[in-house]
Amino acid sequence: RKEVEQDPGPFNVPEGATVAFNCTYSNSASQSFFWYRQDCRKEPKLLMSVYSSGNEDGRFTAQLNRASQYISLLIRDSKLSDSATYLCVVNVRTGRRALTFGSGTRLQVQP
Amino acid sequence: NAGVTQTPKFRVLKTGQSMTLLCAQDMNHEYMYWYRQDPGMGLRLIHYSVGEGTTAKGEVPDGYNVSRLKKQNFLLGLESAAPSQTSVYFCASRGSTGRTESNQPQHFGDGTRLSIL
Repeated sequence: RKEVEQDPGPFNVPEGATVAFNCTYSNSASQSFFWYRQDCRKEPKLLMSVYSSGNEDGRFTAQLNRASQYISLLIRDSKLSDSATYLCVVNVRTGRRALTFGSGTRLQVQP
Repeated sequence: NAGVTQTPKFRVLKTGQSMTLLCAQDMNHEYMYWYRQDPGMGLRLIHYSVGEGTTAKGEVPDGYNVSRLKKQNFLLGLESAAPSQTSVYFCASRGSTGRTESNQPQHFGDGTRLSIL
């Protein structure tokens, strides 16, 4: 089983739609959580951290459910520019001190 | 701010050739990483470093070597390139600030697109 699992998609949605992605992680010792965005052939960039109480940044809302070990990302009022791959990222406290990346969920917003 | 800089951005090699990819960061980060990304595979950790003079193996280290002689630089070497090493390589760095370490995100370079013929 992968440490971080995401539905690869693609999610095809019209402009203005609300779309949600989920991600599950297997290690209950995971400490911190992030969503990254990756555009085609570009480097991953931090979209937002995910806090236990949930957090919002403009049209983006992230939620964490530790009991069920999943993280969600909600995008409201989708824009064409939101088209990208969204990576769920988890920090497990190990000697490696590296984040564990999911394979990503691809979003395509259509006009 | 430069952040994380990778050189070169593109390279084509013949099987058996060697080369070194350079990663430089100007954020005084302790941790540095090399990943490769292949279609449908996501990011896979090759090697990483938790400080100057230290390196360790990640998930897919075979065929690669690394060195961290200076805190700001992390080099990835291919001693004898193979077609299976055709990939996009990303370097990343991450800060270490005590209690908040676990909340530190990773910052990525632009990537190096490497083709082995």
